[in-house]
Amino acid sequence: EVQLVESGGGLVQPGGSLRLSCAASGFTFTHYYMGWVRQAPGKGLEWVANIHQDGTYIYYVDSVKGRFSISRDNAKNSLDLQMNSLRAEDTAMYYCVRNGGQSDYWGQGALVTVSS
Amino acid sequence: DVVMTQSPLSLPVALGQPASISCRSSQSLVLSDGMTYLSWFQQKPGHSPGRLIYEVSNRDPGVPDRFSGSGSGTDFTLKINRVEAEDVGVYYCMQGSHWPHTFGQGTKLEIK
Repeated sequence: EVQLVESGGGLVQPGGSLRLSCAASGFTFTHYYMGWVRQAPGKGLEWVANIHQDGTYIYYVDSVKGRFSISRDNAKNSLDLQMNSLRAEDTAMYYCVRNGGQSDYWGQGALVTVSS
Repeated sequence: DVVMTQSPLSLPVALGQPASISCRSSQSLVLSDGMTYLSWFQQKPGHSPGRLIYEVSNRDPGVPDRFSGSGSGTDFTLKINRVEAEDVGVYYCMQGSHWPHTFGQGTKLEIK
């Protein structure tokens, strides 16, 4: 059974940093693009970042470029999102998603709240 | 960025009646290899989105056959043959052909 379990969410002040992690199981991690999608409270869905199977290709949405960094550890079947210089508008549920443009499996989400 | 425009944004439907959601992209989603990465998702309150349809018209395992997807190029449709109470939620289309992948605004389906 495919499982994606996010962790690391929480409350952080504007300008602060947070690191999200996603533990993957039930499939061959190295076969898939992995990424992060976020959803602000009561709003729609937005792709944040995507990373190729071996980490060679990485994509970010413009609003997070230079502040967020996606990475993966294929030995540990894990995906991370390092978020720096956080802003109020980054407040959202962050979902770990398998298979990029196909988005076939989603985690339960990690809530990030940026507030003073 | 490719803009995905859904309509309607609110969809009240009586039980047993059909429903249809339109999704239009600002540019073609057909890639040079002929693939079209257009998916449909259902999100129930308090839950993660779940994929219903991929590559325009392929139903995911376990998705009831009352759900169907169609379309090509820039024009796509999700249809529900006979709406059931469990279909209440928000439906999103998403294009995965171009980066950044983008979603429609969402269509809230409710029972009339």
